Amino acid sequence: QIQLVQSGPELKKPGESVKISCKASGYTFTDYAMNWVKQAPGNGLKWMGWINTQTGKPTYADDFKQRFVFSLETSASTAYLQINNLNIEDTATYFCTREDDWFAYWGQGTLVTVSS
Amino acid sequence: DIVMTQSPSSLAVSAGETVTINCKSSQSLLYSGNQKNYLAWYQQKPGQSPKLLIYWASTRQSGVPDRFIGSGSGTDFTLTISSVQAEDLAIYYCQQYYDTPYTFGAGTKLELK
Repeated sequence: QIQLVQSGPELKKPGESVKISCKASGYTFTDYAMNWVKQAPGNGLKWMGWINTQTGKPTYADDFKQRFVFSLETSASTAYLQINNLNIEDTATYFCTREDDWFAYWGQGTLVTVSS
Repeated sequence: DIVMTQSPSSLAVSAGETVTINCKSSQSLLYSGNQKNYLAWYQQKPGQSPKLLIYWASTRQSGVPDRFIGSGSGTDFTLTISSVQAEDLAIYYCQQYYDTPYTFGAGTKLELK
C-alpha cells in the first residue's frame, strides 16, 4: 500500500537547521510530485511548495523562499525538507503529501519545536 | 493568490443531524478545458494527518462514506454531512488546486452540541 513515512520530532534552538525526511513506498516515486504543508500549533494548513521528483526542481510558495530547501534522494524514494536559521515561528508540524492534483496521501507529520 | 473563505468557523451538532459547510473561492475554480472544478475537501482529526474526502468538488475518495457529499461550481462550494456520527467530529478544510500557490480554507471545526 502507498505510504509516506516521515522522520521523528525535532527540538531545535533558534538559528539552528533541521532536515526532515519523507520516505515513500508502494508506488513509483518519480511518477508524482511531492508537496510540503505547514501546520503551526492550533492553526490551519499552509502550502509550502512542491518538488518535481523527476527533475528535482523545487518550487516554493512566497513565504518559504528564503530559508527552506526541498531536495530528493531518488534512489531511496525519499524527499527532504531542510529549514535553515530556525526561528520561533517555524514551530509547527510539517507534512509531506503526494500530489495527484489533490492530496490523497500524507505523511504522519513531523513536529519541529524551536525553543531557546 | 486564490483566497478560500470557509464558513462557519465552527459548528456544534448532535449525532444524526445534517450539516453544511461552505467554501467560497476568490476566483472561479472551474477550468473550461475539462469542465472540472479544482476543489478538494479534507477532514483532520486531532493529532492526525488530513484525510482526503472529496476531489473535483464532488467526487468521493475511495472508502469515504456516502454521507459526505460535495457540491458546487465556480466559486461556491458546499460539503454536506448527512446524519453526522461521533467519528465525524473533526476540522474540515477546503483546498483549491486550480493554481499555485495551492490554498486552503481556514477550516470548520465540527463539535458536539
